[in-house]
Amino acid sequence: RKEVEQDPGPFNVPEGATVAFNCTYSNSASQSFFWYRQDCRKEPKLLMSVYSSGNEDGRFTAQLNRASQYISLLIRDSKLSDSATYLCAVRETGRRALTFGSGTRLQVQP
Amino acid sequence: NAGVTQTPKFQVLKTGQSMTLQCAQDMNHEYMSWYRQDPGMGLRLIHYSVGAGITDQGEVPNGYNVSRSTTEDFPLRLLSAAPSQTSVYFCASSPDSNSYNEQFFGPGTRLTVL
Repeated sequence: RKEVEQDPGPFNVPEGATVAFNCTYSNSASQSFFWYRQDCRKEPKLLMSVYSSGNEDGRFTAQLNRASQYISLLIRDSKLSDSATYLCAVRETGRRALTFGSGTRLQVQP
Repeated sequence: NAGVTQTPKFQVLKTGQSMTLQCAQDMNHEYMSWYRQDPGMGLRLIHYSVGAGITDQGEVPNGYNVSRSTTEDFPLRLLSAAPSQTSVYFCASSPDSNSYNEQFFGPGTRLTVL
């Protein structure tokens, strides 16, 4: 089983829709969680960190469920510009490096 | 600040050739790392460094060497290129290995090994 798993998609949604992605992780000792956005043929860029209490940044909401070992990303009022691949990343306690999921592709359609 | 820079952007090698992928950052970051990204596999860590003179192996280190003689530079060497090393390579840096620090990625090097 992969350490960090994501549904590859693609998720095809109309503009204005609400869409949610999940990311599951296998190691209960995981400590830090992130969502990165990657545009086609570009480098990943941090979208948001995920805190235990959940956090929101504009149209984006991130949640952590430690009991079920997953993080989620909710995008409200989708824009065409949200079309990208969304990567989750996890850092385990005591480890310096991040482990990435393989990404979920989102295509927002007019 | 230029951030994280990588050269070259594209490279084609023949099997058995060696080369060095360059990575530099001008943000005085302690932590630097190399990832490769393949379709359906996500980003996999090759090597990382927590400071000048210190390097360690990641998930997929075989066939690659690194060194960190300065804070700014973290080159990745392919010793004898193989078709399995065809991939997109990303270098990343962060201020340190603190849990919540963002990693900044370079633009990537697209490598094809024939």
